[in-house]
This record gives sequence, C-alpha cells and structure tokens, in this order.
Amino acid sequence: QAVATQEPSLTVSPGGTVTLTCGSITGTVTSGHFPYWFQQKPGQAPRTLIYDTSKRHSWTPARFSGSLLGDKAALTLSGAQPEDEADYYCLLSYSGGRGVFGGGTKLTVL
Amino acid sequence: QVHLVESGGGVVQPGRSLRLSCAASGFTFSNHAMHWVRQAPGKGLEWVAVVSYNGGSQDYADSVRGRFTVSRDFSKNTLYLQMDSLRPEDTAMYYCARDPRFCYGGSCQGGPYYYFGMDVWGQGATVTVSS
Repeated sequence: QAVATQEPSLTVSPGGTVTLTCGSITGTVTSGHFPYWFQQKPGQAPRTLIYDTSKRHSWTPARFSGSLLGDKAALTLSGAQPEDEADYYCLLSYSGGRGVFGGGTKLTVL
Repeated sequence: QVHLVESGGGVVQPGRSLRLSCAASGFTFSNHAMHWVRQAPGKGLEWVAVVSYNGGSQDYADSVRGRFTVSRDFSKNTLYLQMDSLRPEDTAMYYCARDPRFCYGGSCQGGPYYYFGMDVWGQGATVTVSS
C-alpha cells in the first residue's frame, strides 16, 4: 500500500523560508505522481495551494512554490506570514489508480 | 463561482445508516469526477470515494468498501454518499471535492486515468457514530 510521508511539524520565523517535503515509501516522487499541496487552518476545510508539482491556483499566494527536491515533492514558503500557520497535506497519485494523502505537517510561524 | 455545500451530517448509532449530500454550483457538474474525503477528529485527511464524471464508475477506500456508496444526480447537480453499517471509526468531518480535470465523451483533459486531485472543497459535514 502506497504511503506518502511528511514531516510531522516544522517551525519558521516570520519572514523566513521553510521547505516541507512529501516522500513515497515506494520510491522517488516524480511529476507522474502529480503532487498536490493543501493548506488547512483550524476549523476550516482544506484549500488547494499547489497542483501538478508546481502549478499555483489563482488564489495561491506567490510566496508558496512547489517543486521536486531530490526524491521528494517539496512545498517552499518564502517570506512566511503569521497567517501561514496551518496544517499542510500533500497528495500523490499512483498508477494503480489511487491517491494517497500524506500525514500532514503542522507549520508554526514563530 | 464554483461552490460545494455538504449536508446530511449528524449523530447516528453504530450499525445505522446516513446519507450525505453535496450540492454543486458554478460549474458543469457532469464534466467533473467528484471525491469524498474525510478527517477524523485531530487526524489527517483520508480519501474515501470517487465517482466518475458520468457516474459510470466508482472507487472506494478499503476501509469503507462494501459499506459506503457514492452516487450523483445530474438533474439536481448533487453528489451523495450513502453510508451503511456505520462504525465508531467512521466518525469524522466529511468533505466533498471536485476533480479538476474536464471530462467528456469518454476522456478527461488534464491528467491520465489514475490522476487524483481536488481543486475546490466544500465546507464539510460532521458525522458522529456513537451509541
């Protein structure tokens, strides 16, 4: 069974830069996994930030960017704002026909 | 503006049934596959089910297969999740979400057959299974 792995928690200073990663226990994450990144704030529904590795939605702040980094997908936040404190989830597509969410990263801006 | 609104959540005893609805607006409902995703209290996101753009195929997480049924009514632009034989571990917030690929005539633009993605989410419906 495919599993996507994320850092349980990360901390970034206001104005700083942080990179969240999403790995696969089946091997290297590629563009063929069509990595997604979602942001979820307490009491709110998830919001899609990044799709297909690096594409932003119209509502995604430019300070968020997606990429492949080594053998993982990555979400980089440059110039962190207090309102970026949230849980972040990745989603990977697998050729077996299923998608798998990562366990989530709790990002603290402090 | 694309909008998804879930309803039908509530408190139910183990073994009983519940049906969630997701009303869609602002887009052509029949051109997009639709997902259900849930989140148990304090836990992460778990994909539950998907129905194809034309309603012709469905897929389920192993944890709900055989107990949950996803369907859609094109005349009402509404997605459903029929949940039978509910268990305490089904307690969660349930979200509907749209697959962003545009599908028609037997094919979808924007990704291969195994593409899993969600661009717009509803606000969620709470399901509590407890005696």
